[in-house]
Amino acid sequence: EADIYQTPRYLVIGTGKKITLECSQTMGHDKMYWYQQDPGMELHLIHYSYGVNSTEKGDLSSESTVSRIRTEHFPLTLESARPSHTSQYLCASREGGTGINNEQFFGPGTRLTVL
Amino acid sequence: AQKVTQAQTEISVVEKEDVTLDCVYETRDTTYYLFWYKQPPSGELVFLIRRNSFDEQNEISGRYSWNFQKSTSSFNFTITASQVVDSAVYFCALSEGGSGGGADGLTFGKGTHLIIQP
Repeated sequence: EADIYQTPRYLVIGTGKKITLECSQTMGHDKMYWYQQDPGMELHLIHYSYGVNSTEKGDLSSESTVSRIRTEHFPLTLESARPSHTSQYLCASREGGTGINNEQFFGPGTRLTVL
Repeated sequence: AQKVTQAQTEISVVEKEDVTLDCVYETRDTTYYLFWYKQPPSGELVFLIRRNSFDEQNEISGRYSWNFQKSTSSFNFTITASQVVDSAVYFCALSEGGSGGGADGLTFGKGTHLIIQP
């Protein structure tokens, strides 16, 4: 069973606020990911990390930033939230390397609403 | 570029009926991985199955079965004797394995909303 946590689960904030979405995993996974899921259900990769001090942008351009100072922690930050950032944000992790056991395990998600 | 197509946006069936969710993929890699995830109303994504491109064996797990056919680039998912608890959004996803490089994140289809009516 996957042990990956996201907080907060729900967040409603005003435009212009700075927010950080937390993601932690206790499985010692090297690879971590952030996906954005629009109300229309499609998920898109916005950030990923191969390990400590590694961060890369994903397929979908995002104004958010991420950091990876510790293996287990992969927070996402929005410096100035806007209504267009309203979405669900899902964090995932998996074992390093290619091949077997490469399925990603997902956290419960954070539903962000920017007014 | 890789792509996953789930043509069925929504399917509604009556409990105990069998239902098949379609998934068609596109990739240029010879090594790739296919996945199915379930997303119940609570929002989390639950991993169901992984298949690699070298293994075309079909798989059965209880009432769930998967049919992988490279000739048609399809990875379909069948639920036998559906139950109300199967109601959820189901996503098919693709990851290119290769020799590394790139994001190796998942490319998702748009999902199929499955409604099982009592």
